[in-house]
Amino acid sequence: GNSVTQMEGPVTLSEEAFLTINCTYTATGYPSLFWYVQYPGEGLQLLLKATKADDKGSNKGFEATYRKETTSFHLEKGSVQVSDSAVYFCAFNTNAGKSTFGDGTTLTVKP
Amino acid sequence: EAQVTQNPRYLITVTGKKLTVTCSQNMNHEYMSWYRQDPGLGLRQIYYSMNVEVTDKGDVPEGYKVSRKEKRNFPLILESPSPNQTSLYFCASSLSPTGDNSPLHFGNGTRLTVT
Repeated sequence: GNSVTQMEGPVTLSEEAFLTINCTYTATGYPSLFWYVQYPGEGLQLLLKATKADDKGSNKGFEATYRKETTSFHLEKGSVQVSDSAVYFCAFNTNAGKSTFGDGTTLTVKP
Repeated sequence: EAQVTQNPRYLITVTGKKLTVTCSQNMNHEYMSWYRQDPGLGLRQIYYSMNVEVTDKGDVPEGYKVSRKEKRNFPLILESPSPNQTSLYFCASSLSPTGDNSPLHFGNGTRLTVT
């Protein structure tokens, strides 16, 4: 069946450190892939997306590349800020409407 | 402003007392969906709808009902809530009819406590 496996958290980094959050997926076909971010007390919001193999999504300094051969969509940022502290979710929907989310990775960035 | 609006934000109720959580979107989206978020379990899909009068079960539909009589509204109904339905609930919508090519837009959540 469909699944998303995310790097377990929580992750704690110092400001300006490099961030990687791993995400691998199992899906029938090649769905669009998404990273969502959830700030405390809020709903999820789109961070970035990629619609096909080798696409790179990017936003706010975050990047992720759709890797078909490794079925991965790892999230990276070169220099994190305190304001990046949040929960990050890797996810996709099938073309039949079913959603699959990872368990979420909590990131805390310390000054 | 384009948004998904859920009400109420917080709800405390007792076992067995029927309740409805409302969800409305003003973006003319085809696809709407309900999720629950529990610690360590990520988001799990409860029900979704790809069109008016069309609803389908997600991964955890037991104990929930939904309806899609109008495009903009997708209420979540708990006919007889139980304590294991205590959770944080999110409604979402997408321009894509199946939610696969366009991102999901989420409401701010409803925190439900069933005692």
